[in-house]
Formats: sequence, structure tokens, C-alpha cells
Amino acid sequence: AQSVTQPDIHITVSEGASLELRCNYSYGATPYLFWYVQSPGQGLQLLLKYFSGDTLVQGIKGFEAEFKRSQSSFNLRKPSVHWSDAAEYFCAVGAGGTASKLTFGTGTRLQVTL
Amino acid sequence: DAGVIQSPRHEVTEMGQEVTLRCKPISGHDYLFWYRQTMMRGLELLIYFNNNVPIDDSGMPEDRFSAKMPNASFSTLKIQPSEPRDSAVYFCASRPREGTEAFFGQGTRLTVV
Repeated sequence: AQSVTQPDIHITVSEGASLELRCNYSYGATPYLFWYVQSPGQGLQLLLKYFSGDTLVQGIKGFEAEFKRSQSSFNLRKPSVHWSDAAEYFCAVGAGGTASKLTFGTGTRLQVTL
Repeated sequence: DAGVIQSPRHEVTEMGQEVTLRCKPISGHDYLFWYRQTMMRGLELLIYFNNNVPIDDSGMPEDRFSAKMPNASFSTLKIQPSEPRDSAVYFCASRPREGTEAFFGQGTRLTVV
């Protein structure tokens, strides 16, 4: 069975600083990997996804993530954080031929200080 | 499209009562998912449908939980009888046949007292 680990429960960064959120996955085959963001009281919004090809994927809002098979990681990065990026971030792995079953990590809550 | 629509947004009920959560997926989407989010367990997939047919309900916690999708534009998640440990945010999501991005509703916050 697939699993996702997000080791950081809570991260605080200053506005303008760079950000990296960690994600490690466990899956027997080539994974479908996703990063979602959840603002308070809202549903989840997809930031980016990886299926194959270029291991560095670009997403919305200036986010990017790099797939590293050797490390079973899919870390999310942003070079300069904005106060509006404060939210909870979830990494997920999709199983099945159509990645229908998503398994989510426990999330990382990002706080941005001004 | 208005996105995935869930109702109600908030529900407070007494233990033992029946609760029905509703979801209208995005038109044309073939897949519909029900998730539960709690502090202790995070986001869990409860059940998902493809073309109105339940494909995998292995995440449904107990027989008290049931889900239906009578047509392509409507799904319900029912809890009967409800218990305080069912308190959570329940999300519905839908996805087109071609594609892998699931679009989430805003969720229903259920409180069972």
C-alpha cells in the first residue's frame, strides 16, 4: 500500500524568504505525485503534479517541486514566499492506473511572518 | 461551472441522529470521491464512484456509513446513527475521465454532540 510522510507539521518563514516543504512517499510502482494547498475553511486546490518526464515540475502561484526517485521524495519549493501563501499544504500519491486513489500526507501548516 | 457544491456547509446533530451530506460534482466529471478530514487521521478516502458506480468503498469506516450516487449530478453520504467520533470535515471531489486532478468542494463540517 502507498503512503506519504510529511515530516514537518508546522513551518514558519518570513515573507520574501525561500521555502521548501518535504514529502517522502512509499509506492511500489511509478508514482503519481501531487501537492495540494488548503486555505482555512476551504477545500483543497491542486498546486502541481508529477507523472513522468521532467522531474522538476512547475505549478501555480510560483511553486515548483522536484521528483527524486532515489530518495523517494517530492519536495515543494518556492523562492520567495508571500504572506498569502500561509495555508496548509498536502502531498499525495495516487495509486491505480488512473491514480484514482489518492493517499494524502498529514499536511504541513505554513505560517508567514511579515 | 460553479465547481463541486456541497451542502450543508455546517451540520450540528445529536448522537444517534441520521445525517445526510450532499454533493453535486462538476458537470461532465466521471469520478466522484468522498473524503473525511480529522486532526487525528488527516485526509482519508472513504469511497469513490466511477460513472455512478461505487468502485472502492474500503475506506468506509463502519456499516453506519453509506454512500449513493443515483445520477451523474448528485451523491449523498449518510451516517446512521451518528456518533461523536464522526465529527470531521467531509469533502467531496470530482474528476474528469481524462485527467488526474481532483476538484474539491468546500467541505461539510459535521459536529455530533
